[in-house]
Amino acid sequence: GQSLEQPSEVTAVEGAIVQINCTYQTSGFYGLSWYQQHDGGAPTFLSYNALDGLEETGRFSSFLSRSDSYGYLLLQELQMKDSASYFCAVKGGSQGNLIFGKGTKLSVKP
Amino acid sequence: EAQVTQNPRYLITVTGKKLTVTCSQNMNHEYMSWYRQDPGLGLRQIYYSMNVEVTDKGDVPEGYKVSRKEKRNFPLILESPSPNQTSLYFCASSSLIGRSSGEQYFGPGTRLTVT
Repeated sequence: GQSLEQPSEVTAVEGAIVQINCTYQTSGFYGLSWYQQHDGGAPTFLSYNALDGLEETGRFSSFLSRSDSYGYLLLQELQMKDSASYFCAVKGGSQGNLIFGKGTKLSVKP
Repeated sequence: EAQVTQNPRYLITVTGKKLTVTCSQNMNHEYMSWYRQDPGLGLRQIYYSMNVEVTDKGDVPEGYKVSRKEKRNFPLILESPSPNQTSLYFCASSSLIGRSSGEQYFGPGTRLTVT
């Protein structure tokens, strides 16, 4: 089967940098995705890593190490609007099914 | 506009009364999936489909049925709803090909209450 572990909560201040880690177990690996979800809203896609290394998209970066079954989402120059839940999701198994972690609730304080 | 639509957005029903939540996407995606979201439990997969007429159980399929007769539609059926199925439900879709296969599009969600 597939499973993911990520911290349940993280708190940081405006302007800071925060890293949300994700470790996974899966038989068959295609890639690791990250999603953001604000309270009351639907998850929205942030990034996808299929290969090792760092992918940067504006203030957000995502990293993957396939050998360590590990990835992280890095948020820089935090803003209040970044307060949300962040989910890692592994695309794996025999068919490339997408399974989500339980999410990390990020609170950004002034 | 590329989107996933779900209906209804809100539903209050009684135990045992069959209901269907519809899901439709206009992106010609092969892959579609249903999730339920409960506080502290994240997004748990109910069923998924890799293409027309191909469906598979996710982590929490008990009490649910799905069908995929057309590529764009993936309805979720609760034959005999129970209060423990009170939850927020999301439908999602994605391509299975190339880099975009890592990006899943979500519908707006359906909040279901079973009394």
